[in-house]
Amino acid sequence: DVKVTQSSRYLVKRTGEKVFLECVQDMDHENMFWYRQDPGLGLRLIYFSYDVKMKEKGDIPEGYSVSREKKERFSLILESASTNQTSMYLCATKQETQYFGPGTRLLVL
Amino acid sequence: QKEVEQDPGPLSVPEGAIVSLNCTYSNSAFQYFMWYRQYSRKGPELLMYTYSSGNKEDGRFTAQVDKSSKYISLFIRDSQPSDSATYLCAMSATNAGGTSYGKLTFGQGTILTVHP
Repeated sequence: DVKVTQSSRYLVKRTGEKVFLECVQDMDHENMFWYRQDPGLGLRLIYFSYDVKMKEKGDIPEGYSVSREKKERFSLILESASTNQTSMYLCATKQETQYFGPGTRLLVL
Repeated sequence: QKEVEQDPGPLSVPEGAIVSLNCTYSNSAFQYFMWYRQYSRKGPELLMYTYSSGNKEDGRFTAQVDKSSKYISLFIRDSQPSDSATYLCAMSATNAGGTSYGKLTFGQGTILTVHP
């Protein structure tokens, strides 16, 4: 079974803080993804990575950056958190199709 | 216009009913089609996965793809209260080699409630 873990299930941060969300997979998959999920908008792709140190922008990269220093680990960084980044963040890894982590609910006050 | 359209519902059915969930899409390059189930406050889990057109059955679940109409469906037979969840359709394109890029485009999700 593919296992995707995310560092936090719930997170509360203040506006302007730097926020790190970490995702770890145990299946040696090359492709990893970060989404956010909002009511009425579905899942939207923020960034994805095809290999270590490689990244590509998704549909909504503004306000986010990512880091992939090791194959199993893909981090999402909010450089200066804003209230409109309050959301559910989902990490996924891909073999034939995508397998998701449990998600991190982020609240920015 | 969104690339993938899915009726968000909500859909409420009695236990034992047959449920039909649908998505339409506009990108003819989509070749891989998936259905995910997401319970409240959890990540999506893969339910069904099909490549190109046709039907696929897995227990009480049947996925259908009609590429000529750009329409996919998920049928749930003998629905149970434990099927209550949000169902997300997703799809991806393919390159000339037939390998999925991996980048998925999702529908909005349909909220399903099966009541006893």
